[in-house]
Amino acid sequence: NAGVTQTPKFQVLKTGQSMTLQCAQDMNHNSMYWYRQDPGMGLRLIYYSASEGTTDKGEVPNGYNVSRLNKREFSLRLESAAPSQTSVYFCASGGPDRYEQYFGPGTRLTVT
Amino acid sequence: AQSVTQLGSHVSVSEGALVLLRCNYSSSVPPYLFWYVQYPNQGLQLLLKYTSAATLVKGINGFEAEFKKSETSFHLTKPSAHMSDAAEYFCAVTKSGGSYIPTFGRGTSLIVHP
Repeated sequence: NAGVTQTPKFQVLKTGQSMTLQCAQDMNHNSMYWYRQDPGMGLRLIYYSASEGTTDKGEVPNGYNVSRLNKREFSLRLESAAPSQTSVYFCASGGPDRYEQYFGPGTRLTVT
Repeated sequence: AQSVTQLGSHVSVSEGALVLLRCNYSSSVPPYLFWYVQYPNQGLQLLLKYTSAATLVKGINGFEAEFKKSETSFHLTKPSAHMSDAAEYFCAVTKSGGSYIPTFGRGTSLIVHP
């Protein structure tokens, strides 16, 4: 039981490049989330998926897109990376009662 | 709307001393409350949660928190700090009864001195 896994762990992009962050969970959870974490800002929700086939915007969705590929996988895409997207990105899934969350180890992204 | 305020971005204690991390919330409906811990270069993990059962909640690693409705608080405590407790701690609130989107506080960094 791996929990929530994320790939890659580290990534450096140049401005304008695109990339997809992958997330998978093996806990059969319905809900999944993408957050970014910046110093002094806590966690900010980018997008979430309450169940397979649905996605909704969070607090800071601009510049990102998501795909809920199936119940296990939820990917985050940066179409044209900007330096402001330099951050640590966390994927999470919602527990059986949906209120508590289980987090992946994070992806550290630097955009130059 | 719901919000969380964590008082103090950094808290420094000596090993063996009491740990107190403060969290105040606002919520228009009865809340569910959580504390998460983040060790360096790791994701967040659940420390404890309050979901309208006992107001004193015990979590992992000797931590506990008390829900005080009159004070809209959910402070995290540990009687005796250990060096391994050094981490970032996040308080979070979500609404009971339907909303699964938590609001996180900005975090408190716990520093433990030998």
